[in-house]
Amino acid sequence: TQLLEQSPQFLSIQEGENLTVYCNSSSVFSSLQWYRQEPGEGPVLLVTVVTGGEVKKLKRLTFQFGDARKDSSLHITAAQPGDTGLYLCAGSGAGSYQLTFGKGTKLSVIP
Amino acid sequence: DTGVSQNPRHKITKRGQNVTFRCDPISEHNRLYWYRQTLGQGPEFLTYFQNEAQLEKSRLLSDRFSAERPKGSFSTLEIQRTEQGDSAMYLCASSSLSGRREQFFGPGTRLTVL
Repeated sequence: TQLLEQSPQFLSIQEGENLTVYCNSSSVFSSLQWYRQEPGEGPVLLVTVVTGGEVKKLKRLTFQFGDARKDSSLHITAAQPGDTGLYLCAGSGAGSYQLTFGKGTKLSVIP
Repeated sequence: DTGVSQNPRHKITKRGQNVTFRCDPISEHNRLYWYRQTLGQGPEFLTYFQNEAQLEKSRLLSDRFSAERPKGSFSTLEIQRTEQGDSAMYLCASSSLSGRREQFFGPGTRLTVL
């Protein structure tokens, strides 16, 4: 069974601070996605990474896929209140289309 | 808007009743997925269709759950004899056959079983 562990589970920071959240597994994933979810809504896809060592940037968000494709990180620079939400990582293994999700990191950015 | 749509958005039912949810995927997407999310957890996979064929089912999908995608377009998820433990957000996602296996989610159906 593939498991994804996310840390920290909760994070409360001041506007303008930087932060990093982590997604770790003992399993290798063919691809890994990061989503953001607002209360009462479905997850919204932020990025997909497929190559070990891959780094992708989305404005103030930087995503990295580990060299061994077992872990990933999300770094947010100069956080804003609009970044508040639940950040979920999800991976799929070789030959499978189902996504395995972590429990998420709940981020609060205080103005 | 051409995203994934789900209906209803909210459903309140009494224990023992049957409920049915509908999902309309992004029009050109051949793959359709159902997930369930409970409070404080990430979504958990339930089942997956490629066109009209149901190709994977989780052990979470008990005999009381059935999903269909009769014409390879929209899908329905039915829960028979609902139990309080079925209370959750039911999410539908779709993806194309090619590409990076990116799944796009709908807004979900929030089920409350009293």
